[in-house]
Amino acid sequence: DAKTTQPNSMESNEEEPVHLPCNHSTISGTDYIHWYRQLPSQGPEYVIHGLTSNVNNRMASLAIAEDRKSSTLILHRATLRDAAVYYCILRDYGGSQGNLIFGKGTKLSVKP
Amino acid sequence: DGGITQSPKYLFRKEGQNVTLSCEQNLNHDAMYWYRQDPGQGLRLIYYSQIVNDFQKGDIAEGYSVSREKKESFPLTVTSAQKNPTAFYLCASMRWALRLAGGLNTGELFFGEGSRLTVL
Repeated sequence: DAKTTQPNSMESNEEEPVHLPCNHSTISGTDYIHWYRQLPSQGPEYVIHGLTSNVNNRMASLAIAEDRKSSTLILHRATLRDAAVYYCILRDYGGSQGNLIFGKGTKLSVKP
Repeated sequence: DGGITQSPKYLFRKEGQNVTLSCEQNLNHDAMYWYRQDPGQGLRLIYYSQIVNDFQKGDIAEGYSVSREKKESFPLTVTSAQKNPTAFYLCASMRWALRLAGGLNTGELFFGEGSRLTVL
């Protein structure tokens, strides 16, 4: 499965937008881009996913580069509850769905 | 409410003992997964199962065993062969398994709250 690269950590101020980048230069045509986040001592929760077009939901927006080799998770107004580790992973819908690779993710800190 | 339940939340074990972590889901999901997480690290896949009575090894299966006798249950046994078992264990499930003949896969993983195992 294709791997992703994310910065280890990022900081944001409360009420400001946050852009979390993810590089996936070896992405294949059947890979969807998924984002999860993990609060301390909890299991990860789904945030958003997309294939080619930008996506919006109640939690965040996902901007996907035209060549699909990178994407950005956008939190429009960061809150203290958004402080978490954010994981970007690729899901292959065209072949085996087995091995879902989570990297170390990006630890987001939000300052009041 | 539907969801995934892991138990116990905290578990202590003596060296040389096997221990089984429970994972139950009532979401009617086909696929289930076990991950291990060490402090400050990401998730590493131990085992996964796409359908009942079938499972595959992940990246770090050595020292672990699983079974999938029922759709809703996917217990993980940490055996004495696992040299460094102290970790946070996470179970997850997914709505649809990709079937050989094709199928819809929403791809959203639902995670349990985790089980923290400490070896004394």
